[in-house]
Parts: sequence; C-alpha cells; structure tokens
Amino acid sequence: GENVGLHLPTLSVQEGDNSIINCAYSNSASDYFIWYKQESGKGPQFIIDIRSNMDKRQGQRVTVLLNKTVKHLSLQIAATQPGDSAVYFCAEKASGTYKYIFGTGTRLKVLA
Amino acid sequence: DSGVTQTPKHLITATGQRVTLRCSPRSGDLSVYWYQQSLDQGLQFLIQYYNGEERAKGNILERFSAQQFPDLHSELNLSSLELGDSALYFCASSVEGGNTIYFGEGSWLTVV
Repeated sequence: GENVGLHLPTLSVQEGDNSIINCAYSNSASDYFIWYKQESGKGPQFIIDIRSNMDKRQGQRVTVLLNKTVKHLSLQIAATQPGDSAVYFCAEKASGTYKYIFGTGTRLKVLA
Repeated sequence: DSGVTQTPKHLITATGQRVTLRCSPRSGDLSVYWYQQSLDQGLQFLIQYYNGEERAKGNILERFSAQQFPDLHSELNLSSLELGDSALYFCASSVEGGNTIYFGEGSWLTVV
C-alpha cells in the first residue's frame, strides 16, 4: 500500500553477495512497475521498470521479476556493493490511471 | 541528477504560515507529480498535472494547492501550516502519464 512505517523491513547482506528485495503489490489491474532506490536525504532514483506483459527484465547488476499470479515483484542485485545501501521502493501503476502507488520500502544494509 | 529541479531545498517556517515549493520538470516532460514523504506516512501521492491541467488527485489536503504553468514548471502551495505538515515534498516528472517518473531531490519543510 502507500504507507511506510517508521520501522522499515531491513535486509542485511555481505558485500559481494546477491540481494533479493521483495514487494507485494495490491492491484491486479496494475500494468507497470518500477523499482526506486532512495539514499538518505535524496530523492527516489529510478533503477529498473517492467510492464505486466513481461516476467523478467535485466539491467546492469539488477534483475526484476514479476509474478502476476501472486502479485509479487522482486529486485535482485548481483554482487552487492556498499553503494547499494539505501531504501528500495517498488511502485505500481494501474492501466488507465496516472497514479503511482509506492509500496513499503525495504532498507538494504551492505556489510563490509 | 534526474533533471528535475526543486527549490527551496530546506525551509523552516512557523505554524499558520504559507509556503510555496517550486519544481522545474525535466526538459521535454509534460507531467508533473507531487509527493509527500514523512516518517509515518511514507511516499504519499498528492497531485498530478499534465501540460497545465490537473490530471489526478491523491491525498492532498484542502489547505494545499498546486498548479502547472505554461512553461511547465509547477508550484505546490501549502497554507495554514501545521506541525504535521513537516515532511519532504518531492516533485517528479514524466514525458506523459504512464511512463517512468523521475524525482527531484525534494524540499525539506519543517514547521515549528
């Protein structure tokens, strides 16, 4: 949903390991999804997007997987680096609308 | 740098006052979105404009208003400010509704 509480889920990974961040979206009519990275004090930064006619999309070190059956989105980061430490948000948009709904953020901590 | 410019970056004002936040979208983008981010509410969609016209409305209070000017920059006006209005206000833009939205760095508003 649109709410992110004070206590964000946190994922801690060792530097060099792969990270998987999950997101459950709410609207089966959503047809466009985006992952954003937000560093402290900065605006959300676009990472990767996927449309509902795809199951998987790859970028540089990142892969997004979409499972429409269970309304689940995941972001995989390969060889996680200290610079990947941030809060990650998924966003969904329903077909025919202009409103992007942001999911609960996940804080990624990369351990050296 | 997303290309979306927001001013001011920081603003401290007293309760009951009125402030105006300004946003210049990326070159060529016709849509502007406003989001509010606070600790207990996450990223909340406020309002969207497309080429000067209001296109979508979210959880925007009646004390808040926005507009998009012919040169496509946008302003968010916040009046009768309350302590609870303290938050980061983000502007985002896209070529048109339905595409990836890119965020500015935000305007930190502190109401004292």
